[in-house]
Amino acid sequence: KNEVEQSPQNLTAQEGEFITINCSYSVGISALHWLQQHPGGGIVSLFMLSSGKKKHGRLIATINIQEKHSSLHITASHPRDSAVYICAVSPGGKLIFGQGTELSVKP
Amino acid sequence: EPEVTQTPSHQVTQMGQEVILRCVPISNHLYFYWYRQILGQKVEFLVSFYNNEISEKSEIFDDQFSVERPDGSNFTLKIRSTKLEDSAMYFCATRGQPNTEAFFGQGTRLTVV
Repeated sequence: KNEVEQSPQNLTAQEGEFITINCSYSVGISALHWLQQHPGGGIVSLFMLSSGKKKHGRLIATINIQEKHSSLHITASHPRDSAVYICAVSPGGKLIFGQGTELSVKP
Repeated sequence: EPEVTQTPSHQVTQMGQEVILRCVPISNHLYFYWYRQILGQKVEFLVSFYNNEISEKSEIFDDQFSVERPDGSNFTLKIRSTKLEDSAMYFCATRGQPNTEAFFGQGTRLTVV
């Protein structure tokens, strides 16, 4: 069983739509990370959170520690948001990755 | 903005050859990690390194793999005798503290033929 599960695995949206990607985990963590992986392969950190909610531009990340669940929301989606979004948890030190959600935003 | 630099970006090697992947961490970071991603699969942890020694390693990180920080700057991953199944994207990541944001390099795509 995967320690980090994301849904959906693939998501196609029209430009302007509100997008939600979900992440559930089964291990104790000190923090949860949302990462973005571009088609070229590079990984960029979007958020690190251990409680509550964080916002950066059109991106919002929330976490519910009791339910071991996090969501990443994208408001007013744009084609440049097309990428793979990865949830990763940190029990302390290393990161344990989910399988990623491939997002495609059509103009 | 500070960044983690990996070289080379792409390496093709013959099966059985040794390869060394290099990473230049962010200058004040102390915690270093190698991860790999086989094509179409999720990113997997290989090894973490702090204070010039391995702090944790995964089952993947067998005797064929080694890491070191030879000159206090570069952080390297060596694969002694590459196998076809070592073909993957290898990412270096660094953190200032264990529970802070992780910064990733752009990755090295290793192809073993």
